[in-house]
Amino acid sequence: DTAVSQTPKYLVTQMGNDKSIKCEQNLGHDTMYWYKQDSKKFLKIMFSYNNKELIINETVPNRFSPKSPDKAHLNLHINSLELGDSAVYFCASSQVSTGNYGYTFGSGTRLTVV
Amino acid sequence: EDKVVQSPLSLVVHEGDTVTLNCSYEVTNFRSLLWYKQEKKAPTFLFMLTSSGIEKKSGRLSSILDKKELSSILNITATQTGDSAIYLCAVASGGSYIPTFGRGTSLIVHP
Repeated sequence: DTAVSQTPKYLVTQMGNDKSIKCEQNLGHDTMYWYKQDSKKFLKIMFSYNNKELIINETVPNRFSPKSPDKAHLNLHINSLELGDSAVYFCASSQVSTGNYGYTFGSGTRLTVV
Repeated sequence: EDKVVQSPLSLVVHEGDTVTLNCSYEVTNFRSLLWYKQEKKAPTFLFMLTSSGIEKKSGRLSSILDKKELSSILNITATQTGDSAIYLCAVASGGSYIPTFGRGTSLIVHP
């Protein structure tokens, strides 16, 4: 069983569209995250969600919104997609309550906006 | 603002060589330092180093935390082509459980 699974793996869409990326973890972790990795492989935190507390990186445009229906899911919704949104988006989870900051990452979603 | 700097940015070696990757940090209230290996897809967790666990080893890979120098090294001995990847360092600090990532070191191992 995949520990952190994201869908879709690839997403090609036109500017202006709205899209969602889903993430599910079956590790029982208490915290989930979304990261954006640019073409230079730099991982930048977008959101983290822990025990109903959402922490938002203030540099993330408000066109991006995370939605967590339960502890095992953290979906990413993007409105009005722009060319600069093209990147690989990684979902991750960790068990922060035990002091373990080691992430388990999903396999990534490569988003291409044309 | 927390800073994590990795060096070198890229490294090309031949199989059998030993490599040392560096990670230095400037953070408030250090909690832990993490190393990841990223091949084609998602980063995979290698080590977590804390004040109570400053040295870790797994096979040919080992890592040491130097809290005085605010840095860590990742050593890979007898490198193999399968070690080719981007190695990411991240530091968790302060009241936040969200690590700050460095920009990574790209390692290429030639046969």
